[in-house]
Formats: sequence, structure tokens, C-alpha cells
Amino acid sequence: DIQMTQSPSSLSASVGDRVTITCRASQIISGYLNWYQQRPEKAPKLLIYAASTLQSGVPARFSGSGSGTDFTLTITNLQPDDFATYYCQQSYSAPLTFGGGTKVETK
Amino acid sequence: QVQLVESGGGLVKPGGSLKLSCAASGFIFSDYYMSWVRQAPGKGLEWVSYISSSGSYTNYVASVMGRFTISRDNARNSLFLQMTSLRAEDTAVYYCARDYSSSSPFDYWGQGILVTVSS
Repeated sequence: DIQMTQSPSSLSASVGDRVTITCRASQIISGYLNWYQQRPEKAPKLLIYAASTLQSGVPARFSGSGSGTDFTLTITNLQPDDFATYYCQQSYSAPLTFGGGTKVETK
Repeated sequence: QVQLVESGGGLVKPGGSLKLSCAASGFIFSDYYMSWVRQAPGKGLEWVSYISSSGSYTNYVASVMGRFTISRDNARNSLFLQMTSLRAEDTAVYYCARDYSSSSPFDYWGQGILVTVSS
């Protein structure tokens, strides 16, 4: 199974900050890396797929990069709606696996 | 608009069975793979199973293999998860999610349904 390791597990930030979350796969997954946002008590929402493609309707302050085993989600100009938990997920091979999550909290 | 609505959750005793349903609308259901993803209380996301668009191919996470069965009825735009031999560690919110193929992201999710396994 492919293990997905996210860091940090949590971070504190302020509105307007730039936030970076990293995700590392235990083996090469090419660009089969997706990012989701989950607000409390809500279903996850797809933000970025194929490592760097913004899902329709997602604000451009979200961006993704990386390939192979190392990936990054960046949020520029953090907004109040962005305080949530973020998960990476590999869709390279089954079992499909998620990172442990990164909770973005208010500083 | 795409809608996925889960039903069938609830409280069940260890060793018991439960069948979850997911009603889909707003898209051509038979064109898409579908998955179940779960989230234990206070924990992260765990993919459980997917089924191909025709229903001919399925896959499961190891922890549910042999106990859970995913199926679909394309005529009724419905996805199912039959869960048997339930354990306390199966307690979670279960989401149905749409993916175009086995290597695609989950682009739409249902609101989730809680399954609690407890005596």
C-alpha cells in the first residue's frame, strides 16, 4: 500500500497569510495526487487534482505543485473560509490512500 | 446539479449487518465509478471500496475485504454498501463519492451517514 504523509499535522495562521502544506508518498505516484478541504461536520471538497489542476469553482489562491513523491498545497492570502482541514490523496493505485490531514487554525 | 444522498445508517451491534444506499442525481450515473469513503469520529479519511461504471469491477481496502460488498443499480441511479460482521472499528461517517475512473479524484461527495457499531 502507498503511504501518504502530510506535514504539518496542524498549523496556526492569520487572515492574509501564505500557507504551505506538504504531502509525501511512500513510492512514486506520478501526478496522481489530489487535495481536499474539509470543514467541520461537512463532506470533503475537491480543491486540486492531478497535483496542480484547480477544480472548477475553487479560488485561484489555492495552488498545487509537485510530482513523483513530493507535493505541495499552497494557499496565498488566507481567507476566513480557509480555516479547515486539508487532506492529500493518491489515486495512482488501490488501495486509494489519504494523508493524515493538516488542520489550519486561527493564530 | 450533482447530488449524492446517503441513507441506511444507524446503530448496530457488533457482528451485525447494515446496508447503506446512495441515491445519485444530476449526472449520467452509469458513466462513473463510485466509491465509499469513511471517517471515524475525530479521525482522517479512509477509502473503503470502489465499483466500476458497469459494476463489473470492484476493489476494497483490506480491513473490509470479505465483510463488505459494494454494488450498484444503474437503472435506479443507486449505489450500495452491504456491511456484515460489523466491528466497533467500523464506526464512522460513510460518504459516497463520485470518481470518473479508478485513478480519478473524488469530485462530488454525499453529505455522509453515520454508522455506529456498539453493544
